[in-house]
Amino acid sequence: LAKTTQPISMDSYEGQEVNITCSHNNIATNDYITWYQQFPSQGPRFIIQGYKTKVTNEVASLFIPADRKSSTLSLPRVSLSDTAVYYCLVGDWGGSYIPTFGRGTSLIVHP
Amino acid sequence: GAVVSQHPSRVICKSGTSVKIECRSLDFQATTMFWYRQFPKQSLMLMATSNEGSKATYEQGVEKDKFLINHASLTLSTLTVTSAHPEDSSFYICSARVNPSTDTQYFGPGTRLTVL
Repeated sequence: LAKTTQPISMDSYEGQEVNITCSHNNIATNDYITWYQQFPSQGPRFIIQGYKTKVTNEVASLFIPADRKSSTLSLPRVSLSDTAVYYCLVGDWGGSYIPTFGRGTSLIVHP
Repeated sequence: GAVVSQHPSRVICKSGTSVKIECRSLDFQATTMFWYRQFPKQSLMLMATSNEGSKATYEQGVEKDKFLINHASLTLSTLTVTSAHPEDSSFYICSARVNPSTDTQYFGPGTRLTVL
């Protein structure tokens, strides 16, 4: 089971780009990398998922280096509403993967 | 697409009573659903994996007789907290797997349980 490590907290300002890195040194061949966003008293919301290189959607980009031992979630031009906890999950969803959450990164966006 | 709902969103009950929480996948069929519990300022803790038509698999330390899980259909899983006590007060969240192969997991909005 790939263990993930993220910074506990980050601060940013409106309009800036925010990059949150997740380390997963023992990622397995079949593992995917998935990021979720959670606001207080709400269920986590899927942001993006990737396997290698770069994935981009309307919300964020996910950069994965060739060795896949880490990944970086990039949020362009954050706003106050991006203040939330961000979780990185790594696992083989097609197998018997049991999704477990680490501590996540608490992002605070300042005016 | 891929919407998961939970009902109720908030419940307050007296100690000793039982509470049922429903988790529904609204626009897809989910063979597997997960139940989590989250205490204030903490991460989600997986309680059990619910598979349609079979018994749930509970994580270590989770009492299966206290937290009854039923996954009778491909769109509905229920969590019943039996003989609830104040220490069971928490935020309960369910999720469902959309695609068993590549997969993405979608979460319900959560249920706030308060036991008096």
